[in-house]
Amino acid sequence: DQQVKQNSPSLSVQEGRISILNCDYTNSMFDYFLWYKKYPAEGPTFLISISSIKDKNEDGRFTVFLNKSAKHLSLHIVPSQPGDSAVYFCAASVTSGTYKYIFGTGTRLKVLA
Amino acid sequence: DVKVTQSSRYLVKRTGEKVFLECVQDMDHENMFWYRQDPGLGLRLIYFSYDVKMKEKGDIPEGYSVSREKKERFSLILESASTNQTSMYLCASSSHLGGAGANVLTFGAGSRLTVL
Repeated sequence: DQQVKQNSPSLSVQEGRISILNCDYTNSMFDYFLWYKKYPAEGPTFLISISSIKDKNEDGRFTVFLNKSAKHLSLHIVPSQPGDSAVYFCAASVTSGTYKYIFGTGTRLKVLA
Repeated sequence: DVKVTQSSRYLVKRTGEKVFLECVQDMDHENMFWYRQDPGLGLRLIYFSYDVKMKEKGDIPEGYSVSREKKERFSLILESASTNQTSMYLCASSSHLGGAGANVLTFGAGSRLTVL
């Protein structure tokens, strides 16, 4: 049973436009969410996080939105740059539990110059 | 700067061989994790540890074991490698004790294992 889902395997966006990556989860106990970016042959790098007590968190070009009632979060990248082309993973955790994160299957973003 | 180091970037092994993947972190993190990444399947948790000599099964522990004898080191062991264990293996660490960066996983660069 996939508790964290990224239903879009790939996304293409023009440089300068907004990229929106989506993530859905099923476990209402999840209270902390992370987004990671991964280039080929490298480890994932942390982008941005959000706690369930918030509905938005912003860091530069990256904004994460959380809709708890819909069990949905999204990552917005504005403006998109060619260097943003990578695979993006969302991850969820129950922080009072066993400290482990469940990851989605990833979305491959391609930013076209 | 937080650093997680995986000893081998690329390995090629034969079916039935015993394989050791080593991971060391230098930030005194309590938690350490082993994931594998496969196309279309994302990152799947194999094992994790929240303290020295403690280990917990993740979602896909079959065919793997782990060892955590020291806080900074977490080893993944494939007792008898099989072709379906060909994958990218990712080690990560985190702290749950608060402060900046708490509850964020820091990953190593990954170990690409090919089993022939």
